[in-house]
Amino acid sequence: AQSVTQPDIHITVSEGASLELRCNYSYGATPYLFWYVQSPGQGLQLLLKYFSGDTLVQGIKGFEAEFKRSQSSFNLRKPSVHWSDAAEYFCAVGVYGGSQGNLIFGKGTKLSVKP
Amino acid sequence: GAGVSQSPSNKVTEKGKDVELRCDPISGHTALYWYRQSLGQGLEFLIYFQGNSAPDKSGLPSDRFSAERTGGSVSTLTIQRTQQEDSAVYLCASSLLGQGQETQYFGPGTRLLVL
Repeated sequence: AQSVTQPDIHITVSEGASLELRCNYSYGATPYLFWYVQSPGQGLQLLLKYFSGDTLVQGIKGFEAEFKRSQSSFNLRKPSVHWSDAAEYFCAVGVYGGSQGNLIFGKGTKLSVKP
Repeated sequence: GAGVSQSPSNKVTEKGKDVELRCDPISGHTALYWYRQSLGQGLEFLIYFQGNSAPDKSGLPSDRFSAERTGGSVSTLTIQRTQQEDSAVYLCASSLLGQGQETQYFGPGTRLLVL
């Protein structure tokens, strides 16, 4: 069965420090992979996506993610965190084909940023 | 251009009443999705529309939940005889389909509280 695991429920980093959020997936075919961010009381905003091609993808707000098929991972990174990055981050795999069409989400990682 | 919009933003209802939640997708998007976000369950897929038909209703939690989409555009999610466990944020998303266009864009959500 398809699934997404985000091992870290809550991460705290200092402003200006680097960030890596982990995501592992289980999916039988080549996955469509996404990272979304959610600020309190808001909907989900797309940060970046991987469908095919270059395994290092760039997104908005200075985020990037690397698809590693051998590790079934799609970790999100940012070289220098800003206080405004404090939010909850969701990794998702897209399941499409036949009658299916939906995203399977991880449980999310809440990011806190220390001044 | 306009994004996905949802109404109402917030809804408070009494147990046993029916509620209707509305979603206006991005113009031209053929696919529409409903998800539910609650503290205990995270983000759960409910239903997926291709045009006006729903090939995948697998996520609807009970027969009290139904959804329709008319004119390939607006969708309504109806919850009959609401229960307290229906309290959650209901998120709608839309996308194109095919050729790697399946990126889902989310609305701000409807926060439902059942008293």
